[in-house]
Order: sequence, then structure tokens, then C-alpha cells
Amino acid sequence: GESVGLHLPTLSVQEGDNSIINCAYSNSASDYFIWYKQESGKGPQFIIDIRSNMDKRQGQRVTVLLNKTVKHLSLQIAATQPGDSAVYFCAENIRDDKIIFGKGTRLHILP
Amino acid sequence: GAVVSQHPSWVICKSGTSVKIECRSLDFQATTMFWYRQFPKQSLMLMATSNEGSKATYEQGVEKDKFLINHASLTLSTLTVTSAHPEDSSFYICSARFEGRPETQYFGPGTRLLVL
Repeated sequence: GESVGLHLPTLSVQEGDNSIINCAYSNSASDYFIWYKQESGKGPQFIIDIRSNMDKRQGQRVTVLLNKTVKHLSLQIAATQPGDSAVYFCAENIRDDKIIFGKGTRLHILP
Repeated sequence: GAVVSQHPSWVICKSGTSVKIECRSLDFQATTMFWYRQFPKQSLMLMATSNEGSKATYEQGVEKDKFLINHASLTLSTLTVTSAHPEDSSFYICSARFEGRPETQYFGPGTRLLVL
């Protein structure tokens, strides 16, 4: 079965607020994690990644946090905008092999 | 750079026919390509991994005789859904990697298959 899962299938956030999407993974051998954004009818779009030797990485308006102790990954989106509406997937990679996707969270932006 | 295309973007076919989907890396050479399948409101499920010039490696539960994968060149991989049935209707997504690292893996836009 899937080794990567998400706590919340749907997240509604007020426009302008920060969004936090969580992910739990079960394979302790995973050494690379990625967050993807997928809009309806499109392929996944890379957002940000992090290696297991890091616990935080920041991009433009996005931050990924990795807690290896509890096998938890989160994506923080600052000042959420309508264009952020999409499904977000965390994914993991073990030893530079294949990328396995988690279940996904739909982010809904409230006006 | 690092663009991956798929063709066609959508296809409708009759049950029992075969459908071929192409995945191309447009500006890089992909040593490895991956095929995923995604049902509505679900995640991407890896179907198989293909390396140029060798046979594809299929994930558990994926029928290799039904989903034929050919990776004949460093820029092209094809997925053929043979004798398609309505349950094969799905969104098929490929990705291409140009080095051994997952950081070099890029995804295509997907192909929507509807089998009537």
C-alpha cells in the first residue's frame, strides 16, 4: 500500500491567510521528499523539495518542514491566493529510485 | 527547459481497441521514464519504470501484457493500452528523468483516456 499519506483530504483557507498542508510518511528509508501542486486536468507541478538531511527549506511563499522523528512533512503557503487552489501531493523517494505519491489534499480558497 | 510533452492530450476509444500514448522529453535526454495512472479524486499510482533500451519494470498488480511500454530512444516512451475496457478509463501521466537523481524528474501534462 501507500507509504505516504495525508491527514486532511480538504482544506479551506481564507484568501490572504497562511495554509498548512500536512503529510505523514511511513518509510524511514525515504531520503528525498517533494511537494507537487496539481490543477484540474493537468500534470503535477513541482513546488519544493527537501532532502532528509534538512528539516526546513524555503521557497517563494512556500516552506517545507520535515520532522524525521515523527515522519511528518508539511507545506506552508504564505498569503494564500486564489491561484493556489489545487490538489497538493507530498511524494517520497527512496535512494534516488521512483517517486511515490501520497493521497493528496485539496486546497480551497475562500474569498 | 526540462519540458515533457504527451500526445494525445485526450482520447476516446471503443472497448476492445488499443490506444497508444506518447511521452516525449523535448529539451533533454531521459534515461528513465515513468508512467503513472490517476483515477478521479485519487492520487497518482506508479505503473512502471522504463529505461531506454531495456524492458520496463512494472509495479505489483499492473499487467505488463495489457500496458505495453516501449522506451526506444532517450526522448520517447510510449504506453499502449491493449484491448482497452471502460475500467481502463483514467488520466495517464508520464515523467522523465535525465540523471539518476529524482531532482531531475519532470512530469508531463497527462493524457485523459475514455473507453466507451
